[in-house]
Amino acid sequence: GQNIDQPTEMTATEGAIVQINCTYQTSGFNGLFWYQQHAGEAPTFLSYNVLDGLEEKGRFSSFLSRSKGYSYLLLKELQMKDSASYLCAVRDSNYQLIWGAGTKLIIKP
Amino acid sequence: IAGITQAPTSQILAAGRRMTLRCTQDMRHNAMYWYRQDLGLGLRLIHYSNTAGTTGKGEVPDGYSVSRANTDDFPLTLASAVPSQTSVYFCASSDSSAGADTQYFGPGTRLTVL
Repeated sequence: GQNIDQPTEMTATEGAIVQINCTYQTSGFNGLFWYQQHAGEAPTFLSYNVLDGLEEKGRFSSFLSRSKGYSYLLLKELQMKDSASYLCAVRDSNYQLIWGAGTKLIIKP
Repeated sequence: IAGITQAPTSQILAAGRRMTLRCTQDMRHNAMYWYRQDLGLGLRLIHYSNTAGTTGKGEVPDGYSVSRANTDDFPLTLASAVPSQTSVYFCASSDSSAGADTQYFGPGTRLTVL
């Protein structure tokens, strides 16, 4: 079966750095996405990785290792507005997105 | 219209009733999707359409139907609603001709079936 695993919840302090991990087992791999979802709102696109390595975009970076079936999202200089759920999704061999249940990130002052 | 819109925003429905959730996008994206999101679970694909005139079944299609008469609209119909269809429904679209084929989401419809 296909499976995406992420921690259910994480807590971090304003101004700090947090790393959210995602491991996956899917039938084929055609890219990995990270989305941010604030409570009661729609998911919004953060990053896309298809090759191994680190993609940096401002305070957010995403890393991929295809051989390990592993990705992480790194958030630097945390702000209160970063409190949200972070969703990991993998595009499988059928070009459909398989979604993790999301990691709820709580930022404390 | 900018992006994707969904209607209604929320709805309470009696079991057994028929309901259509509307989704419209103005980005001229060829692909559209319907997902449901339930607490503790990832987004699950109900139906999708790669281009106007075609549709396909996703992971959880039972009890739902879709149509894609044109590029912009992708309605989702519950023929006879059941309480297990209580969920938040998101419509999304993507340009599958673009490299990443990133999906963009509508604001969602919160549906309660009693």
